[in-house]
Amino acid sequence: AQSVAQPEDQVNVAEGNPLTVKCTYSVSGNPYLFWYVQYPNRGLQFLLKYITGDNLVKGSYGFEAEFNKSQTSFHLKKPSALVSDSALYFCAVRDFRGRGNYQLIWGAGTKLIIKP
Amino acid sequence: GAGVSQSPRYKVAKRGQDVALRCDPISGHVSLFWYQQALGQGPEFLTYFQNEAQLDKSGLPSDRFFAERPEGSVSTLKIQRTQQEDSAVYLCASSPGTGVHEQYFGPGTRLTVT
Repeated sequence: AQSVAQPEDQVNVAEGNPLTVKCTYSVSGNPYLFWYVQYPNRGLQFLLKYITGDNLVKGSYGFEAEFNKSQTSFHLKKPSALVSDSALYFCAVRDFRGRGNYQLIWGAGTKLIIKP
Repeated sequence: GAGVSQSPRYKVAKRGQDVALRCDPISGHVSLFWYQQALGQGPEFLTYFQNEAQLDKSGLPSDRFFAERPEGSVSTLKIQRTQQEDSAVYLCASSPGTGVHEQYFGPGTRLTVT
């Protein structure tokens, strides 16, 4: 069965420090992986995705994520955190098994708090 | 440009009432998704439309849940005989194609069943 795990409910980082939000996944086929961010009282916003190709994917707002097939991970990273990065982050996976599978499976979310 | 809109933003229903939640996707978007998000959890897939065709409804939790998109644009999620466990935020998302595109989310409808 497909699943996504975000092992940390909350991550605290000082402003200016690097940040990592962890995500591991389990799928039967090749994964399509996504990161979304949710700010208070706003809809989910797309950050980045991995489909194929380079394992390091760059996205919006200076975020990047590294796909690691052997560790089945897709951790979100940013070299220097901003207070405005404080939000709820979700990892999601789609299992590419050909036509007919459209579902995104989502992690439970990680609350990122950046302290000034 | 206009994003995905949902109405109402908040809905309080008494147990047993029927509710209808509306989603207006981004114009021209082929794909439309409905999700249910319980407090403190990630979204859970409910159903998927490609234009007017409902291609996947495997996530609908019971036969009390029904969704339609008759003209391939606006979609309605209907819940009949609401129960307390239906209380959640219902999210709608659209995407421009049928491939692996990012999804654009609406603000959600928070349903509270009392």
